[in-house]
Amino acid sequence: QKEVEQDPGPLSVPEGAIVSLNCTYSNSAFQYFMWYRQYSRKGPELLMYTYSSGNKEDGRFTAQVDKSSKYISLFIRDSQPSDSATYLCAMSGTSYGKLTFGQGTILTVHP
Amino acid sequence: GAVVSQHPSWVICKSGTSVKIECRSLDFQATTMFWYRQFPKQSLMLMATSNEGSKATYEQGVEKDKFLINHASLTLSTLTVTSAHPEDSSFYICSARSGTSGRIEQYFGPGTRLTVT
Repeated sequence: QKEVEQDPGPLSVPEGAIVSLNCTYSNSAFQYFMWYRQYSRKGPELLMYTYSSGNKEDGRFTAQVDKSSKYISLFIRDSQPSDSATYLCAMSGTSYGKLTFGQGTILTVHP
Repeated sequence: GAVVSQHPSWVICKSGTSVKIECRSLDFQATTMFWYRQFPKQSLMLMATSNEGSKATYEQGVEKDKFLINHASLTLSTLTVTSAHPEDSSFYICSARSGTSGRIEQYFGPGTRLTVT
């Protein structure tokens, strides 16, 4: 079993839809949770960073962490075609530790 | 802020030759840099972690003598693929983490696509 599981999709939604992306994990030591966006043939770009459980909102993006269920989510409101990319969840047990990535979910937002 | 560059962005080399990839943090000092490998439609696989002035720590299964990493300064790390073979063809991405205490975020470079013929 992988430490971090993420449905690779692909996920296709119409413009304006609310998108829900999720990851589950098995390592209860994870405390730091991140979401990255990666466009084709580019490096990942940090979107959201959350420590421990709770919600965090930044514009159209909301990150949720439920440590009791070992489940994290990223919500994208009013999705745009420019949101089309691969979204990777990543997590770590310490502030200085390495990141463990999910497989990534391919998202397409069509006009 | 937090810009990381990589050079070259793509490279084609012949089997048996060596290739060097540079990773630079442009607007911050990176005490730690990471090197990843990514195959098409797959996630990032950590190859090694390097701290400025120290030897790199390699992940299990990564050949130290094949993938040479040098982190000589707070803004530069290099990955040299020695005696490259076609199976080394991949997308190599570096990331850098600021030395600021408590900051965990890694900032990624744009990646280098290596093709070995």
